Amino acid sequence: AQSVTQLDSQVPVFEEAPVELRCNYSSSVSVYLFWYVQYPNQGLQLLLKYLSGSTLVKGINGFEAEFNKSQTSFHLRKPSVHISDTAEYFCAVSGGSNYKLTFGKGTLLTVNP
Amino acid sequence: NAGVMQNPRHLVRRRGQEARLRCSPMKGHSHVYWYRQLPEEGLKFMVYLQKENIIDESGMPKERFSAEFPKEGPSILRIQQVVRGDSAAYFCASSPSRDSYGYTFGSGTRLTVV
Repeated sequence: AQSVTQLDSQVPVFEEAPVELRCNYSSSVSVYLFWYVQYPNQGLQLLLKYLSGSTLVKGINGFEAEFNKSQTSFHLRKPSVHISDTAEYFCAVSGGSNYKLTFGKGTLLTVNP
Repeated sequence: NAGVMQNPRHLVRRRGQEARLRCSPMKGHSHVYWYRQLPEEGLKFMVYLQKENIIDESGMPKERFSAEFPKEGPSILRIQQVVRGDSAAYFCASSPSRDSYGYTFGSGTRLTVV
């Protein structure tokens, strides 16, 4: 079984500041890792995913994440955030069966002017 | 190419009524997954279906909940005799094959039980 821990439930930042949203996972098998974004009252949009290969993954909207196997982490970063990045961000993992996603509880990113 | 379509977007039911949530997968996708998002929680897997088959229902509550994906038409998640604890956002995703990296999520149905 897999589990995902998002260490911060809320992250407030100012516009144009850098941000890091933390995600740790546990799994007994090799994993795929994902970050999704959810804008208010909308569905989930895939930001980026790690399946294999390079541990630095680039996604949409200027986001990137680094897979660290030894620390079982997959932190999401953006060097300069915009007001429009305000949303809930979910880290997810799949392994074993590979069709089922296990999600963290989410991190609410609030970008202030 | 329309995305995953879920309807209704919002659904209000009184305790004891039935709720029927619909999900039309993306064109060419024959694998459908349902997830539930309770307040302050991440999404939790409920069920995985292919056309006319339930593949994995390990996340479905044992009573009152059922799901189907008929040969023709959308996938349906049915909740009988709803209770306040069923209030949540229900998301459907589809994929072209049996894997997690090809998911596309719908916008969800927000069920409120009053």
